[in-house]
Amino acid sequence: DTEVTQTPKHLVMGMTNKKSLKCEQHMGHRAMYWYKQKAKKPPELMFVYSYEKLSINESVPSRFSPECPNSSLLNLHLHALQPEDSALYLCASSRPSLGYQETQYFGPGTRLLVL
Amino acid sequence: KQEVTQIPAALSVPEGENLVLNCSFTDSAIYNLQWFRQDPGKGLTSLLLIQSSQREQTSGRLNASLDKSSGRSTLYIAASQPGDSATYLCAVQEDSSYKLIFGSGTRLLVRP
Repeated sequence: DTEVTQTPKHLVMGMTNKKSLKCEQHMGHRAMYWYKQKAKKPPELMFVYSYEKLSINESVPSRFSPECPNSSLLNLHLHALQPEDSALYLCASSRPSLGYQETQYFGPGTRLLVL
Repeated sequence: KQEVTQIPAALSVPEGENLVLNCSFTDSAIYNLQWFRQDPGKGLTSLLLIQSSQREQTSGRLNASLDKSSGRSTLYIAASQPGDSATYLCAVQEDSSYKLIFGSGTRLLVRP
């Protein structure tokens, strides 16, 4: 199984809503990532979890709150978002770095629209 | 600061043509370079990963080369097919962190 799944596929939310994005993998990967991708732009790294601990936070606003409850799950909690946060949110996973990078496997993404 | 550039931004070719996509990076001290494919509105699919000690990698009709000293990589696609139409992204890893730095991609259209 080389699949990363993400739910929901699409999400529309108001600026006062609280919602969560979910990512799951069963490949035994211990590194998981959240990326944000705007239209016609490359993905931008937001967060990295390694062995369920946050290892990289790319200065992301606190209205985005990541959570890694176990080695297979990664959540992104959203609160008080702005319209400019509308984007495709991608999750990825990989084996832990051993001095070099393993291939990252990406999920299909959640298309988020903030009204 | 590492910058990754991909040229051209868009490319349209007839089916069956061999083609080359280019990727350049400003700092040659990289761990590896990866090529990804992205279909519209979808996630990324890893195509090839070249470690810094390697010169090239091949998978089927795809061949990627890496020249660290000149800060360049190419993705060669042989006998292109309409199903190859997608955006192709290259990304470099600079160090032992997990961070990938992406280029802005080349949008490829293969015409039947």
